[in-house]
Amino acid sequence: NAGVTQTPKFQVLKTGQSMTLQCAQDMNHEYMSWYRQDPGMGLRLIHYSVGAGITDQGEVPNGYNVSRSTTEDFPLRLLSAAPSQTSVYFCASSYRKNLAKNIQYFGAGTRLSVL
Amino acid sequence: AQKITQTQPGMFVQEKEAVTLDCTYDTSDQSYGLFWYKQPSSGEMIFLIYQGSYDEQNATEGRYSLNFQKARKSANLVISASQLGDSAMYFCAMREPYSGGGADGLTFGKGTHLIIQP
Repeated sequence: NAGVTQTPKFQVLKTGQSMTLQCAQDMNHEYMSWYRQDPGMGLRLIHYSVGAGITDQGEVPNGYNVSRSTTEDFPLRLLSAAPSQTSVYFCASSYRKNLAKNIQYFGAGTRLSVL
Repeated sequence: AQKITQTQPGMFVQEKEAVTLDCTYDTSDQSYGLFWYKQPSSGEMIFLIYQGSYDEQNATEGRYSLNFQKARKSANLVISASQLGDSAMYFCAMREPYSGGGADGLTFGKGTHLIIQP
């Protein structure tokens, strides 16, 4: 009963380094998304995907890349990390049918620090 | 303008009292969904309750209910008989699935930090 699994849980990067945050779900959900949470803020949408091979930008996409080659996986790539990307990152997934009601289930989060 | 406004940054409530957490929203869409999530100190996001814009009755899930006033664009969360374990951040969120050209995801408020005192 894994749900949405994110790895790693914690990561420290130096400015300019690249890394990939992993997200996998085992609920056969069509929709997957990435959010970031900064202190005193709600979550903000980075990128999302409505199915394998389809991705689109959210509210704060700059500095991040995504791809969706399978239904299960939706990795988030930081190409050249910046201190402004220090945040907690959440992956979420849901069904697509009944669009307004599709409840998004979240992973446990990845806490990223960029020095 | 903010799409989701939560006006209570923090609240202290005595155990066993009822709690109302405020949420107002802004949308021009007719079809939308409103969600509440709980984030305990451990950090995970836990879904609590959902209200659809066309739902005529207020949503209820156990001790949680949603006071939905469509004309006022408010969707307040009510927690009955609060418990110490209810201490957490609470986020109101909205999804507008048919907003033309907009991103397809949840828009969150900044949250309310609820502390239940014994």
